Amino acid sequence: AQSVTQLGSHVSVSEGALVLLRCNYSSSVPPYLFWYVQYPNQGLQLLLKYTSAATLVKGINGFEAEFKKSETSFHLTKPSAHMSDAAEYFCAVRTSGSRLTFGEGTQLTVNP
Amino acid sequence: KAGVTQTPRYLIKTRGQQVTLSCSPISGHRSVSWYQQTPGQGLQFLFEYFSETQRNKGNFPGRFSGRQFSNSRSEMNVSTLELGDSALYLCASSTVLAGEFETQYFGPGTRLLVL
Repeated sequence: AQSVTQLGSHVSVSEGALVLLRCNYSSSVPPYLFWYVQYPNQGLQLLLKYTSAATLVKGINGFEAEFKKSETSFHLTKPSAHMSDAAEYFCAVRTSGSRLTFGEGTQLTVNP
Repeated sequence: KAGVTQTPRYLIKTRGQQVTLSCSPISGHRSVSWYQQTPGQGLQFLFEYFSETQRNKGNFPGRFSGRQFSNSRSEMNVSTLELGDSALYLCASSTVLAGEFETQYFGPGTRLLVL
């Protein structure tokens, strides 16, 4: 079964520092992978998606993720954190149809 | 284009009651999925509908049901509510191109509190 694991339920960075949120996948077939962000009291917003067209995927708000098959990873990065990046981030894999299986989520805190 | 809309946004019910939540997908999207989000269990898939047919169902009891109408709008129903049903219920819609389900876009959710 396809699944994703997010390492670190809480990540804290200083404003201007590198953001690195980790996601590893388990899949026997080329996966479709996604990163979503959730702000307090809101739904999920798509940050970026991997669909095998390119291993380095650029998303919104300066985020990007690199698909590494050898490491079964799809980590999310942003060179310089902004206070507005504070939110919960979810990695997800499409399992069948439009069904998504989500990781546990990583709460990102940005300190001034 | 308007995004996915969900009504109501907030709901308070008591144990034993039933509830119906509504979701209107993005115009042109024919696939609708529902997810339950709780602090303990995270995001869990409930069911997926496409062209009024349920394609997929998650591991939830039969008290949870849904349907999709010909205009792609969807409803989910929870009967005999339990305290543990308190959650944020998220709806997502997507297009289908050449048989491939495209990216899901989520609504703001309905927050259900069961007392």
